[in-house]
Amino acid sequence: AQKITQTQPGMFVQEKEAVTLDCTYDTSDQSYGLFWYKQPSSGEMIFLIYQGSYDEQNATEGRYSLNFQKARKSANLVISASQLGDSAMYFCAMGERIIQGAQKLVFGQGTRLTINP
Amino acid sequence: NAGVMQNPRHLVRRRGQEARLRCSPVKGHSHVYWYRQLPEEGLKFMVYLQKENIIDESGMPKERFSAEFPKEGPSILRIQQVVRGDSAAYFCASSPPGGLGLAKNIQYFGAGTRLSVL
Repeated sequence: AQKITQTQPGMFVQEKEAVTLDCTYDTSDQSYGLFWYKQPSSGEMIFLIYQGSYDEQNATEGRYSLNFQKARKSANLVISASQLGDSAMYFCAMGERIIQGAQKLVFGQGTRLTINP
Repeated sequence: NAGVMQNPRHLVRRRGQEARLRCSPVKGHSHVYWYRQLPEEGLKFMVYLQKENIIDESGMPKERFSAEFPKEGPSILRIQQVVRGDSAAYFCASSPPGGLGLAKNIQYFGAGTRLSVL
């Protein structure tokens, strides 16, 4: 079974600084996907970025990038030039195959990020 | 395009009542997943459905919980005879039919239903 570990319960960062949120995973699968979601105080879950295990390059989406180190089984999220609106809970997740073309997501415990002005 | 729609956003029930949570997936998405989030925790998978079929319900409690995704209409998560421990946020997610390979089948979430049991 897949396992996701997020070791930072909370982080405080000054506005405009870059921040790295840690995520390590455990799996015996050769092919897998890693996801990051943001949950602001309003409660919805917002998809941020995806990394496939066979992707040759680290994923990037605007200010979000994924520092993927396969040998270390880590998939850290990097947010550049942080903004006040980045304050939220951040969840790392991994897909666990159900059937062809469908997977359940296994989530970490989350990291609460607070951006200070 | 409308995203995943869940209603109600907030639901209050007394112990012993029934809770019905609704989810309309993104148009064109045929896969629906339900997850539960207890306070200060990550989401936990409950059930995966396709139209008219439950494919994986390994995360569903054995009693009182059921889910359906009929041919027409939204997916429904039903909790009978609710207890205080059922208080949580329930999220629905949808994804398009598989075909991009296993990994990149992104699930898009609704805003959740927050169930409070008094």
